[in-house]
Amino acid sequence: DAGITQSPRYKITETGRQVTLMCHQTWSHSYMFWYRQDLGHGLRLIYYSAAADITDKGEVPDGYVVSRSKTENFPLTLESATRSQTSVYFCASRGLTGQYFGPGTRLTVT
Amino acid sequence: QKEVEQDPGPLSVPEGAIVSLNCTYSNSAFQYFMWYRQYSRKGPELLMYTYSSGNKEDGRFTAQVDKSSKYISLFIRDSQPSDSATYLCAAGGGGGADGLTFGKGTHLIIQP
Repeated sequence: DAGITQSPRYKITETGRQVTLMCHQTWSHSYMFWYRQDLGHGLRLIYYSAAADITDKGEVPDGYVVSRSKTENFPLTLESATRSQTSVYFCASRGLTGQYFGPGTRLTVT
Repeated sequence: QKEVEQDPGPLSVPEGAIVSLNCTYSNSAFQYFMWYRQYSRKGPELLMYTYSSGNKEDGRFTAQVDKSSKYISLFIRDSQPSDSATYLCAAGGGGGADGLTFGKGTHLIIQP
């Protein structure tokens, strides 16, 4: 199916563990983004990528790492998960008519 | 102060009413604006995309941008219970990180 997919949709992990959230888009959009959504804060930009091998920090990048070896994939890694990273994570890509979001990954860090 | 401000609501209106949702922003460099609808436990769904000032209409939805007053509006005509959701405004192209800056969302309830 065309669009953006994210996996896993739900994840529970323990403090200190490494976690990778996957994002895949089929539109060949150059720009891709990771946001987190928290009550009281709304959606905040973590990292973005303008093209393969080009990434940059957003508003809340600490504790996260991204890579983009292929245009269609943009994984987000939490190197050592903390409870403050419990959140809903959304991947997005931008085309000519706007920015489109995936279904989200609900991450709980215990 | 957040760069995009939005009243969280809830906003409750009867079915069939015209709904007006609004945001203000502080960064005069923002160039494009979007409205999203988000149902509970779902991803944001793009409703409207507007570049610079002006109006845009799509079915029952109309988006307005007034850059002189830094004011963004979304109007929903003939509101339906299925329109009940959280509506997010967003702005971009303001320099710095190349993503969107979001308001916190307005929770809209359409009463049957």
